[in-house]
Amino acid sequence: GAVVSQHPSWVICKSGTSVKIECRSLDFQATTMFWYRQFPKQSLMLMATSNEGSKATYEQGVEKDKFLINHASLTLSTLTVTSAHPEDSSFYICSAPDPGLAGTYEQYFGPGTRLTVT
Amino acid sequence: LAKTTQPISMDSYEGQEVNITCSHNNIATNDYITWYQQFPSQGPRFIIQGYKTKVTNEVASLFIPADRKSSTLSLPRVSLSDTAVYYCLVGDWGGGFKTIFGAGTRLFVKA
Repeated sequence: GAVVSQHPSWVICKSGTSVKIECRSLDFQATTMFWYRQFPKQSLMLMATSNEGSKATYEQGVEKDKFLINHASLTLSTLTVTSAHPEDSSFYICSAPDPGLAGTYEQYFGPGTRLTVT
Repeated sequence: LAKTTQPISMDSYEGQEVNITCSHNNIATNDYITWYQQFPSQGPRFIIQGYKTKVTNEVASLFIPADRKSSTLSLPRVSLSDTAVYYCLVGDWGGGFKTIFGAGTRLFVKA
């Protein structure tokens, strides 16, 4: 199946700094990618839809100026957490659909990035 | 996107068959039903997808009644490694692939 990678797998940063997380589709092109956040013992929460060549679409309650998303190519989307605070500490996961599989609507998820803000 | 309801948690023993039922009363005509598995600190992994009746693959079966208002994921002969959270998702992804996760079902398999 298709593979989605994320980098880094974990990161620790100081409060007030910015952190960039990369999401790559390794063997397929993804015009759309999704970013999720997951707190311990909770479900995934959709943050935004990343669209190649255009602005991201943010879910209600997600600050677009804090979580900057860039989808500059068909295989790469980045999420930058700006001016990070301890409450931004979470597990961030990206996903991408592979529309090349006829008759299926499968989302491929990255392995996640653990962000800890100290 | 149709809302889904699943049991919060389930316990089982190794070797048993586990059935997890998901309710999706507002499923639309074009919606598919997809189940994902998630282990701690990992991204979700696709298990199975179906539209109606029964679908089977090498790891699970998915049973969907005629009214499609519910679905049941069946895991045959579970092992300790099947301990995970299982999510049922419903949606028509032909137009956008937007995926909203419900609470999921925490399955704990005991020896």
